[in-house]
Amino acid sequence: RKEVEQDPGPFNVPEGATVAFNCTYSNSASQSFFWYRQDCRKEPKLLMSVYSSGNEDGRFTAQLNRASQYISLLIRDSKLSDSATYLCVQGSGYSTLTFGKGTMLLVSP
Amino acid sequence: DVKVTQSSRYLVKRTGEKVFLECVQDMDHENMFWYRQDPGLGLRLIYFSYDVKMKEKGDIPEGYSVSREKKERFSLILESASTNQTSMYLCASRQGGGEEAGELFFGEGSRLTVL
Repeated sequence: RKEVEQDPGPFNVPEGATVAFNCTYSNSASQSFFWYRQDCRKEPKLLMSVYSSGNEDGRFTAQLNRASQYISLLIRDSKLSDSATYLCVQGSGYSTLTFGKGTMLLVSP
Repeated sequence: DVKVTQSSRYLVKRTGEKVFLECVQDMDHENMFWYRQDPGLGLRLIYFSYDVKMKEKGDIPEGYSVSREKKERFSLILESASTNQTSMYLCASRQGGGEEAGELFFGEGSRLTVL
């Protein structure tokens, strides 16, 4: 069974803090990885793809470590609007995705 | 703007009733998916379809069936609803597969309560 494991949190951080989430995956054959963001009572939306070389989008940096089979997301200078659940996602077939259960982030003033 | 539309945001049904959840996407995507999301269990794939009239079981297909008669429409059917099918149901669509696969777009969800 293909699994994606995440710490559910919540991670409580003050505005301006740097926070990092990790997730581990079991399907070593997967070629695609993503972070999705889900706001309360909303649908998940793509935050960023995760590439082997790592990628950065503004305050967000994603890394992939194939040897240890984990993915990370780093958020710098946290904003109140970053409060959400972050879903780690792994490609599990030709077009299907396996989602982790999510890590909740709460950013406080 | 791309859109996945689920016909009902909230439904309340009784045990044993037949339930249809409809989903339409306007992006001409090949692949469509039905997930359910429950607290502590996350998103779980029920069924998916990679083409018209094609369907594949996901991780939890028991108690569900699907229909894809047109490319833009993917329906989830509960033949005889049970209380353990009370959940948030999310439809999604995506173009392509493998390393060329595009972003997965979700509808706003349908919250089903079975009494």
